[in-house]
Amino acid sequence: DIQMTQSPSSLSASVGDRVTITCRASQSISSFLNWYQQKPGKPPKFLIYTASSLQSGVPSRFSGSGSGTDFTLTISNLQPEDCATYYCQQSYSSPPTFGQGTKLEIK
Amino acid sequence: EVQLVQSGAEVKKPGESLKISCKGSGNNFTSYWIGWVRQMPGKGLEWMGVIRPGDSSTRYSPSFEGQVTISADKSIVTAYLQWSSLKASDTAMYYCARPWSSDFTDAFDIWGQGTMVTVSS
Repeated sequence: DIQMTQSPSSLSASVGDRVTITCRASQSISSFLNWYQQKPGKPPKFLIYTASSLQSGVPSRFSGSGSGTDFTLTISNLQPEDCATYYCQQSYSSPPTFGQGTKLEIK
Repeated sequence: EVQLVQSGAEVKKPGESLKISCKGSGNNFTSYWIGWVRQMPGKGLEWMGVIRPGDSSTRYSPSFEGQVTISADKSIVTAYLQWSSLKASDTAMYYCARPWSSDFTDAFDIWGQGTMVTVSS
């Protein structure tokens, strides 16, 4: 299985900040990288596909980049509603695997 | 509107069997895959496997193959996740979700609300 490693595991930032979450794959996955947002007690929400394409309805302050093994999720102008845990997922090969998650708190 | 609606929370004893369900509505799901994702308390997401209700083709993660059974009834567009003998370590929230393309490895764009399974003596 391809291992996905996210960093940091948690972070705290202020409203208006720009935050970056990193996801690293144990082998090249081209651009087959997705990002999800999960709030407590809710199912995950699909944010970004193929590393950098925004799912319909996702605010433009979210962006993704990367290819190969290293990827980033960036949230610009952080809003209170962005408080959540974020997961990356590779869809390059079976089984699709998730990162361990990054918990984002708002100061 | 495309939706996945899951069955309600379950409380079971170790050794008991269980089958939870996920019903699709609002679109023709038989040509799509429906997958299952486990989330243990306070932990991350784990891809368990998928089924295509149209022909009952299944794909499992090696971590879950032999531990659970994924099945479907295409006549009612419903997928199932089943255990023959539950363990305490099966305690988790289980989500069904639909890959957004015909590729079963693709991202999940539609999610059910989750079914909490608690296994305790």
